[in-house]
Amino acid sequence: EVQLVESGGGLVQPGGSLRLSCAASGFTFSDHYMDWVRQAPGKGLEWVGRGRNKANGYTTEYAASVKGRFTISRDDSKNSVYLQMNSLKTEDTAVYYCTRAQSTMPPASDIWGHGTTVTVSS
Amino acid sequence: DIQMTQSPSTLSSSVGDRVTITCRASQSIDSWLAWYQQKPGKAPKLLIYKASSLESGVPSRFSGSGSGTEFTLTISSLQPDDSATYYCQQYKSYSLTFGQGTKLEIK
Repeated sequence: EVQLVESGGGLVQPGGSLRLSCAASGFTFSDHYMDWVRQAPGKGLEWVGRGRNKANGYTTEYAASVKGRFTISRDDSKNSVYLQMNSLKTEDTAVYYCTRAQSTMPPASDIWGHGTTVTVSS
Repeated sequence: DIQMTQSPSTLSSSVGDRVTITCRASQSIDSWLAWYQQKPGKAPKLLIYKASSLESGVPSRFSGSGSGTEFTLTISSLQPDDSATYYCQQYKSYSLTFGQGTKLEIK
């Protein structure tokens, strides 16, 4: 079964850091780009960023709202992607979803994890 | 960034109705548009990609059309299980962007 499982969410103070993890299973992880998407309480979906695969140099893209603060990385040996979040703001409070990008280009997100909740509050 | 605008924001229809949701892009995105369905407390689910391609396992009552800047998601015969919020997303250029969502309720 194709599956993504996020972890690492929690309560953090403004200015703090948190690292989210996403463990993939059931597909060839190294073939796919991986995205992070978030959803603030009661709000819509916001794309956070993308991590490309080894064939595309492990390069990354970010939304303007998180660029310079968030970093996407991956470990193909562990079938995992990570979201390092620094200098957190209250407006970063959201459910964070890990998604698999389709193998066709450009890709939509065809598999989503269940999400992990990040709360930024003092 | 490309802005995506959905209409209507909320929609109430009866079982068996034909339902259409519209998504407009602020500039051309060719056919690089996806539609997602999200139920309360759940992760979104891909329904349609490349504007009109049905994702595997998605019921055939769902269909998508359009290109350039105007797109539609159609449910041919509304079912009770279709109560959800629907989002469009452009993936032609970064930053990828979503519409604000359309909440579909069953009368």
